[in-house]
Amino acid sequence: NAGVMQNPRHLVRRRGQEARLRCSPMKGHSHVYWYRQLPEEGLKFMVYLQKENIIDESGMPKERFSAEFPKEGPSILRIQQVVRGDSAAYFCASSPDLAGGVGAQYFGPGTRLTVL
Amino acid sequence: GESVGLHLPTLSVQEGDNSIINCAYSNSASDYFIWYKQESGKGPQFIIDIRSNMDKRQGQRVTVLLNKTVKHLSLQIAATQPGDSAVYFCAEKIQGGSEKLVFGKGMKLTVNP
Repeated sequence: NAGVMQNPRHLVRRRGQEARLRCSPMKGHSHVYWYRQLPEEGLKFMVYLQKENIIDESGMPKERFSAEFPKEGPSILRIQQVVRGDSAAYFCASSPDLAGGVGAQYFGPGTRLTVL
Repeated sequence: GESVGLHLPTLSVQEGDNSIINCAYSNSASDYFIWYKQESGKGPQFIIDIRSNMDKRQGQRVTVLLNKTVKHLSLQIAATQPGDSAVYFCAEKIQGGSEKLVFGKGMKLTVNP
Protein backbone atom coordinates (compact mmCIF):
# COMPACT_ATOMS: atom_id res chain seq x y z
CA ASN A 1 0.00 0.00 0.00
CA ALA A 2 2.13 2.87 -1.30
CA GLY A 3 2.03 6.16 0.51
CA VAL A 4 2.06 9.62 -1.00
CA MET A 5 4.72 9.80 -3.67
CA GLN A 6 6.58 12.90 -4.71
CA ASN A 7 9.17 13.48 -7.37
CA PRO A 8 11.75 14.61 -7.84
CA ARG A 9 13.09 14.38 -4.30
CA HIS A 10 15.68 17.05 -5.02
CA LEU A 11 15.49 19.73 -7.69
CA VAL A 12 18.07 22.36 -8.53
CA ARG A 13 17.12 25.30 -10.73
CA ARG A 14 18.79 28.53 -11.74
CA ARG A 15 17.01 31.82 -11.24
CA GLY A 16 14.44 32.39 -13.96
CA GLN A 17 13.88 28.71 -14.74
CA GLU A 18 10.70 26.76 -14.14
CA ALA A 19 10.22 24.13 -11.45
CA ARG A 20 7.64 21.35 -11.70
CA LEU A 21 6.89 19.26 -8.65
CA ARG A 22 4.75 16.15 -8.89
CA CYS A 23 2.62 14.39 -6.32
CA SER A 24 0.71 11.12 -6.50
CA PRO A 25 -1.76 10.74 -3.62
CA MET A 26 -2.34 7.56 -1.71
CA LYS A 27 -4.61 5.10 -3.43
CA GLY A 28 -8.23 5.99 -2.85
CA HIS A 29 -7.47 9.56 -1.74
CA SER A 30 -9.18 12.31 -3.68
CA HIS A 31 -7.92 15.35 -1.75
CA VAL A 32 -4.45 16.79 -2.33
CA TYR A 33 -2.68 19.59 -0.46
CA TRP A 34 0.61 21.39 -0.99
CA TYR A 35 2.65 22.92 1.82
CA ARG A 36 5.97 24.73 1.89
CA GLN A 37 8.54 24.45 4.67
CA LEU A 38 11.50 26.72 5.25
CA PRO A 39 14.43 25.51 7.39
CA GLU A 40 13.66 25.43 11.10
CA GLU A 41 10.03 26.37 10.50
CA GLY A 42 6.65 24.69 10.37
CA LEU A 43 4.74 23.92 7.23
CA LYS A 44 2.75 26.67 5.51
CA PHE A 45 -0.36 25.80 3.56
CA MET A 46 -0.34 26.70 -0.11
CA VAL A 47 -3.23 25.05 -1.96
CA TYR A 48 -5.92 22.38 -1.62
CA LEU A 49 -7.22 20.54 -4.66
CA GLN A 50 -9.63 17.81 -5.60
CA LYS A 51 -9.71 16.19 -9.01
CA GLU A 52 -9.84 18.97 -11.63
CA ASN A 53 -10.74 21.58 -9.02
CA ILE A 54 -8.86 24.06 -6.87
CA ILE A 55 -10.74 24.28 -3.58
CA ASP A 56 -8.55 26.69 -1.62
CA GLU A 57 -5.51 28.54 -2.92
CA SER A 58 -5.36 31.13 -0.17
CA GLY A 59 -1.75 30.26 0.65
CA MET A 60 -0.45 30.38 -2.88
CA PRO A 61 1.47 33.44 -4.08
CA LYS A 62 -0.55 35.27 -6.72
CA GLU A 63 2.23 35.30 -9.26
CA ARG A 64 4.48 32.58 -10.67
CA PHE A 65 2.84 29.72 -8.73
CA SER A 66 0.14 27.43 -10.04
CA ALA A 67 -1.23 24.01 -9.17
CA GLU A 68 -3.39 21.43 -10.84
CA PHE A 69 -4.79 17.98 -10.13
CA PRO A 70 -5.98 16.58 -13.45
CA LYS A 71 -8.48 13.81 -13.91
CA GLU A 72 -5.64 11.47 -14.83
CA GLY A 73 -2.14 11.65 -13.46
CA PRO A 74 -0.41 13.32 -10.53
CA SER A 75 -0.95 16.74 -9.03
CA ILE A 76 1.56 19.31 -10.28
CA LEU A 77 2.89 22.36 -8.46
CA ARG A 78 4.49 24.69 -10.95
CA ILE A 79 6.77 27.60 -10.13
CA GLN A 80 7.69 29.85 -13.00
CA GLN A 81 10.74 32.14 -13.10
CA VAL A 82 12.08 30.83 -9.81
CA VAL A 83 13.91 33.14 -7.41
CA ARG A 84 16.25 32.29 -4.54
CA GLY A 85 13.45 32.85 -2.05
CA ASP A 86 11.58 29.89 -3.54
CA SER A 87 14.22 27.53 -2.13
CA ALA A 88 12.40 25.35 0.36
CA ALA A 89 10.99 21.89 0.93
CA TYR A 90 7.62 21.38 -0.72
CA PHE A 91 5.38 18.73 0.75
CA CYS A 92 2.30 17.17 -0.68
CA ALA A 93 -0.36 15.51 1.46
CA SER A 94 -3.47 13.56 0.61
CA SER A 95 -6.59 12.56 2.50
CA PRO A 96 -9.57 10.30 1.86
CA ASP A 97 -13.26 11.01 1.85
CA LEU A 98 -14.87 9.65 5.00
CA ALA A 99 -18.47 9.43 6.04
CA GLY A 100 -19.13 12.78 7.65
CA GLY A 101 -16.04 14.53 6.42
CA VAL A 102 -12.49 14.42 5.18
CA GLY A 103 -9.90 12.19 6.79
CA ALA A 104 -6.44 12.92 8.14
CA GLN A 105 -3.73 14.26 5.87
CA TYR A 106 -0.80 11.98 5.10
CA PHE A 107 2.38 13.50 3.77
CA GLY A 108 4.85 12.52 1.12
CA PRO A 109 8.65 12.71 1.47
CA GLY A 110 8.84 16.17 -0.06
CA THR A 111 10.74 17.85 -2.88
CA ARG A 112 13.68 19.97 -1.84
CA LEU A 113 14.03 22.84 -4.27
CA THR A 114 17.28 24.75 -4.44
CA VAL A 115 17.48 27.86 -6.58
CA LEU A 116 20.99 28.93 -7.51
CA GLY B 1 -6.05 35.26 13.76
CA GLU B 2 -4.83 31.81 12.91
CA SER B 3 -1.82 30.73 14.88
CA VAL B 4 -0.58 27.62 16.53
CA GLY B 5 2.46 27.78 18.76
CA LEU B 6 4.54 25.50 20.88
CA HIS B 7 5.71 26.36 24.40
CA LEU B 8 9.13 24.69 24.19
CA PRO B 9 11.45 24.77 21.19
CA THR B 10 13.62 21.88 22.45
CA LEU B 11 13.21 19.01 24.86
CA SER B 12 15.86 16.53 25.93
CA VAL B 13 14.87 13.38 27.83
CA GLN B 14 16.43 10.13 28.92
CA GLU B 15 15.46 6.89 27.26
CA GLY B 16 12.60 5.31 29.13
CA ASP B 17 11.24 8.57 30.53
CA ASN B 18 7.85 9.93 29.58
CA SER B 19 7.80 13.00 27.33
CA ILE B 20 5.21 15.74 27.19
CA ILE B 21 5.07 18.16 24.29
CA ASN B 22 2.74 21.13 24.63
CA CYS B 23 0.99 23.27 22.07
CA ALA B 24 -1.18 26.38 22.36
CA TYR B 25 -3.66 27.38 19.71
CA SER B 26 -5.43 30.69 19.37
CA ASN B 27 -8.51 29.96 17.26
CA SER B 28 -11.44 28.77 19.35
CA ALA B 29 -13.19 27.73 16.12
CA SER B 30 -10.65 24.96 15.50
CA ASP B 31 -12.34 21.57 15.62
CA TYR B 32 -9.66 19.12 14.62
CA PHE B 33 -6.05 18.70 15.70
CA ILE B 34 -3.21 16.47 14.56
CA TRP B 35 0.25 15.70 15.89
CA TYR B 36 2.98 14.98 13.37
CA LYS B 37 6.54 13.71 13.80
CA GLN B 38 9.19 14.80 11.34
CA GLU B 39 12.61 13.22 11.13
CA SER B 40 15.46 14.96 9.37
CA GLY B 41 15.06 14.94 5.61
CA LYS B 42 11.64 13.29 5.71
CA GLY B 43 8.03 14.30 5.44
CA PRO B 44 5.75 14.73 8.47
CA GLN B 45 4.47 11.43 9.80
CA PHE B 46 0.97 11.23 11.24
CA ILE B 47 1.00 10.28 14.93
CA ILE B 48 -2.46 10.86 16.32
CA ASP B 49 -5.45 13.15 15.86
CA ILE B 50 -8.30 14.37 18.01
CA ARG B 51 -11.57 16.14 17.33
CA SER B 52 -12.86 18.97 19.47
CA ASN B 53 -15.69 16.85 20.89
CA MET B 54 -13.08 14.77 22.74
CA ASP B 55 -10.71 15.58 25.63
CA LYS B 56 -8.36 12.64 25.32
CA ARG B 57 -7.33 10.04 22.80
CA GLN B 58 -4.83 7.24 23.16
CA GLY B 59 -2.69 5.41 20.67
CA GLN B 60 0.26 3.11 20.97
CA ARG B 61 2.55 4.75 23.59
CA VAL B 62 1.03 8.16 22.79
CA THR B 63 -1.80 10.14 24.32
CA VAL B 64 -3.20 13.43 23.14
CA LEU B 65 -5.02 15.72 25.56
CA LEU B 66 -7.18 18.64 24.49
CA ASN B 67 -8.20 21.44 26.84
CA LYS B 68 -10.57 23.70 24.94
CA THR B 69 -11.04 26.04 27.89
CA VAL B 70 -7.45 27.25 27.69
CA LYS B 71 -6.91 26.26 24.05
CA HIS B 72 -4.12 23.85 24.88
CA LEU B 73 -3.05 20.58 23.30
CA SER B 74 -0.44 18.13 24.54
CA LEU B 75 1.22 14.98 23.29
CA GLN B 76 2.42 12.47 25.83
CA ILE B 77 4.90 9.79 24.79
CA ALA B 78 5.36 6.92 27.20
CA ALA B 79 8.70 5.17 27.66
CA THR B 80 10.46 7.40 25.17
CA GLN B 81 12.88 5.65 22.85
CA PRO B 82 15.82 6.94 20.78
CA GLY B 83 13.68 6.41 17.68
CA ASP B 84 11.29 9.05 19.01
CA SER B 85 13.92 11.74 18.46
CA ALA B 86 12.46 14.12 15.89
CA VAL B 87 10.69 17.45 15.52
CA TYR B 88 7.05 17.35 16.58
CA PHE B 89 4.37 19.63 15.14
CA CYS B 90 0.83 20.24 16.21
CA ALA B 91 -1.61 21.36 13.54
CA GLU B 92 -5.19 22.58 13.63
CA LYS B 93 -8.09 22.84 11.25
CA ILE B 94 -10.66 25.61 11.49
CA GLN B 95 -14.28 24.50 11.69
CA GLY B 96 -16.27 25.51 8.65
CA GLY B 97 -13.22 26.53 6.75
CA SER B 98 -11.17 24.77 4.15
CA GLU B 99 -9.45 21.51 4.99
CA LYS B 100 -6.12 23.30 5.27
CA LEU B 101 -4.00 22.72 8.36
CA VAL B 102 -2.28 25.48 10.33
CA PHE B 103 1.04 24.28 11.75
CA GLY B 104 3.12 25.47 14.65
CA LYS B 105 6.87 25.99 14.35
CA GLY B 106 7.83 22.63 15.82
CA MET B 107 9.56 21.29 18.89
CA LYS B 108 12.68 19.16 18.74
CA LEU B 109 12.73 16.11 20.98
CA THR B 110 16.09 14.50 21.71
CA VAL B 111 16.17 11.16 23.49
CA ASN B 112 19.44 10.31 25.18
CA PRO B 113 20.31 6.60 25.49
